[in-house]
Amino acid sequence: DQQVKQNSPSLSVQEGRISILNCDYTNSMFDYFLWYKKYPAEGPTFLISISSIKDKNEDGRFTVFLNKSAKHLSLHIVPSQPGDSAVYFCAASARTGGGNKLTFGTGTQLKVEL
Amino acid sequence: DTGVSQDPRHKITKRGQNVTFRCDPISEHNRLYWYRQTLGQGPEFLTYFQNEAQLEKSRLLSDRFSAERPKGSFSTLEIQRTEQGDSAMYLCASSLRRVLITDTQYFGPGTRLTVL
Repeated sequence: DQQVKQNSPSLSVQEGRISILNCDYTNSMFDYFLWYKKYPAEGPTFLISISSIKDKNEDGRFTVFLNKSAKHLSLHIVPSQPGDSAVYFCAASARTGGGNKLTFGTGTQLKVEL
Repeated sequence: DTGVSQDPRHKITKRGQNVTFRCDPISEHNRLYWYRQTLGQGPEFLTYFQNEAQLEKSRLLSDRFSAERPKGSFSTLEIQRTEQGDSAMYLCASSLRRVLITDTQYFGPGTRLTVL
């Protein structure tokens, strides 16, 4: 039962353009969402998060949008840079349980081309 | 370097052997998590500690797996009688839990286990 889904395994974008990575979830108890970036042979690196009481959070080139009614979130990277090439994971947690354990999607491989 | 560290980074073992991994969290972080990641999948939650107390275990954590955090600082994850299906990247994360503030988990580089 995949509660967090990233349906695009890969995405290719030109340098300077916008990258849009999508994520869908099924568990209505999720109330906190995060994006992590992962390079090969390294652990995931935290990028940005959003609480379910918001619909947008912005940090520099990264913006996360949350559509609760559609159970959908997206990560926008503008402008995209070659160093952004990595696997991006969407993650969600249900904070009311107290543990804040993360449920991850399967990841999207982003390639930013020159 | 004040990030999460894990040791060893790579471990190759034969089926049936026991292995132990260590995780050192960010200093003063009171929560520590273990996840497992297999090829093509995202990390999957295994267990977590708040200080020295193990508060939750996933059903993925069979009785061959045991985790400890004896003094509320570093943690160990032991796998007994390893099987080929245990081959994966084992990730550790830590966070600082504070009242009314959602804690963000920061991950270590992982330990890649290969069971032959």
